Amino acid sequence: GAVVSQHPSWVICKSGTSVKIECRSLDFQATTMFWYRQFPKQSLMLMATSNEGSKATYEQGVEKDKFLINHASLTLSTLTVTSAHPEDSSFYICSAKLLTLLGGVQETQYFGPGTRLLVL
Amino acid sequence: GQNIDQPTEMTATEGAIVQINCTYQTSGFNGLFWYQQHAGEAPTFLSYNVLDGLEEKGRFSSFLSRSKGYSYLLLKELQMKDSASYLCAVQLGYSTLTFGKGTMLLVSP
Repeated sequence: GAVVSQHPSWVICKSGTSVKIECRSLDFQATTMFWYRQFPKQSLMLMATSNEGSKATYEQGVEKDKFLINHASLTLSTLTVTSAHPEDSSFYICSAKLLTLLGGVQETQYFGPGTRLLVL
Repeated sequence: GQNIDQPTEMTATEGAIVQINCTYQTSGFNGLFWYQQHAGEAPTFLSYNVLDGLEEKGRFSSFLSRSKGYSYLLLKELQMKDSASYLCAVQLGYSTLTFGKGTMLLVSP
């Protein structure tokens, strides 16, 4: 259980184009999903929190007009990198939050396999 | 700000035991997670601690001391496939995870 998929797994695009990345929770419903970015040899940096049916919450320094997030259903969140530039090249990873009852409520984030974006 | 510290790199021998430490100073605390990340892949969940003490899961154990702001991940009977980056992450407030920079573990024969 707790499988999260991402599509595409990698994408190469020209500067100025927009790229959409999909994140799906395959075997559970996720009211909350998260989008991270990871540059080489660095840790994951949270970009935004995606809540089903409402606007995403962006971390400081992340441009909401550049990174559009849509969480239209309980199993799908999308991240669109608009007018991508070479500095947007990175590894984008989504996660979905799963709540379990194990002697209390435990929230665990399960990660998708990531999308590697290269902007030329 | 939030501060999560882990050693950058560690090396160990196949079959040995290794302990990866994590210390944190954060404005909130709702639990501590350990993830494993192989190069070029997304992190996979290893363990979760919210109460003080040791949680054991097969070859992996994780310990937490909230009063000391300290956790460790213990890996026993190391295998070559355990070579990866190990990420310590603190859950702040509602769901948000803040990650440390990760500890790159290299297991040699």
